[in-house]
Amino acid sequence: GAVVSQHPSRVICKSGTSVKIECRSLDFQATTMFWYRQFPKQSLMLMATSNEGSKATYEQGVEKDKFLINHASLTLSTLTVTSAHPEDSSFYICSARDTGRTLGHEQYFGPGTRLTVT
Amino acid sequence: KNQVEQSPQSLIILEGKNCTLQCNYTVSPFSNLRWYKQDTGRGPVSLTIMTFSENTKSNGRYTATLDADTKQSSLHITASQLSDSASYICVVSQFTSGTYKYIFGTGTRLKVLA
Repeated sequence: GAVVSQHPSRVICKSGTSVKIECRSLDFQATTMFWYRQFPKQSLMLMATSNEGSKATYEQGVEKDKFLINHASLTLSTLTVTSAHPEDSSFYICSARDTGRTLGHEQYFGPGTRLTVT
Repeated sequence: KNQVEQSPQSLIILEGKNCTLQCNYTVSPFSNLRWYKQDTGRGPVSLTIMTFSENTKSNGRYTATLDADTKQSSLHITASQLSDSASYICVVSQFTSGTYKYIFGTGTRLKVLA
């Protein structure tokens, strides 16, 4: 159980276009989902926290108008990178918190999406 | 400042050998500590989780220890296999303002050679 999927796994887009990444919790409901960005040889950096039905909370330095997050249901959150530029190329990972379980409200991570902006 | 530091940054060992990865943290208030394995191009997968009162936790060939007094943790890998080649991330969970927040370490990149 506790599987999180992401789609697509890889995407290449041209500079100036927008890209949408989906994150789904497959076998549990997630009131809270997290979006991370990871650059090569670095650890995960939290971009934003999204709660179902409300606006996302962005970390300092993350542009909310550039990284649009929608968490419309208990099993789906989307991250849209608007007007993407080469510096947005990165590995984007989502995680979902299963609030129904005990032990610190475990986060389950998706497999990640590799975004390359040319 | 809440920080999680890991050492070494990278490590190369021969297949079959053991190794130990270190994690020091200054996170407060502390909730629990997790070790994750992240294969290249994949998301992190949980190996162990320990609360304040736990000193050791095993998961197959992986054994994690926690010293809450010195705020140190280690992950010991026994009889390494080629498939153990990955990044290992120490994550400390902090409960603050009514929510849990993950503080990530920078990871240790392990390479196991045949």
